[in-house]
Amino acid sequence: DGGITQSPKYLFRKEGQNVTLSCEQNLNHDAMYWYRQDPGQGLRLIYYSQIVNDFQKGDIAEGYSVSREKKESFPLTVTSAQKNPTAFYLCASSIPGQFESTQYFGPGTRLTVL
Amino acid sequence: GNSVTQMEGPVTLSEEAFLTINCTYTATGYPSLFWYVQYPGEGLQLLLKATKADDKGSNKGFEATYRKETTSFHLEKGSVQVSDSAVYFCALRKYSGYSTLTFGKGTMLLVSP
Repeated sequence: DGGITQSPKYLFRKEGQNVTLSCEQNLNHDAMYWYRQDPGQGLRLIYYSQIVNDFQKGDIAEGYSVSREKKESFPLTVTSAQKNPTAFYLCASSIPGQFESTQYFGPGTRLTVL
Repeated sequence: GNSVTQMEGPVTLSEEAFLTINCTYTATGYPSLFWYVQYPGEGLQLLLKATKADDKGSNKGFEATYRKETTSFHLEKGSVQVSDSAVYFCALRKYSGYSTLTFGKGTMLLVSP
C-alpha cells in the first residue's frame, strides 16, 4: 500500500537537545512538506521541497532544518534554537506543478519538550 | 496574503442532525478549495475539494460548493453520525507553481448518540 509514514509517533526531548523527525513516502511524489499544528492554531508550514536536493522555508522555519537527499525521505530536525517546540508535526507530499494535485498527510509525530 | 476563516467550535450535534461548518477565504485570483478531516491522534485526510467557482465537492455524504461571489466554501451534511466526530479544516491553494496550502484553524465537531 502506498502512503506516508512518520516516526516515532511520540517523542520526548530535553531542553537544549536537537531531535530529528522522520518522514518517508512511497507515493513517488516529488514534493514534500512539513507542518506544525498547535491547539486552536490550525496548520502552519515549516519547510517544503519540490524536488530532491532543493527545499524552501515556509512561514515558520526559524529553529528548524531539513534535508532532501532522497525522493522518498524528508527528515525534519528541531534544533535547540526553536523556542517552543512542543507541538504535533505533520508531513505531507504531493505532485508539484499540477493544478489538480492533492496533498496527502502522514499520521503525525507529537513532540514534547520536558 | 491568503487567509481562511472558519467558524469556531466545538459544534455539538445529535446524531442525524444537519451539519453546516462555515468557511470563508481571502485570496487573489482563483484558488482551489479543500476540506480536510482529522480524527483524534491522526493526520489529516482529504474529505473533498473544488477547483473552480460553482464546483461542488462531495464525499461520504459531505458537500461543499465553491461560491466566488461570497468567497465561501461551507461544509454540509444532511445527517451526521457519531463517527463523524473529528476536527474539520478548510484550506485553500493558490496555484503558483507549487502546491502549498493555507489552512483555517479547524472546527471540532462532536456528535452524540
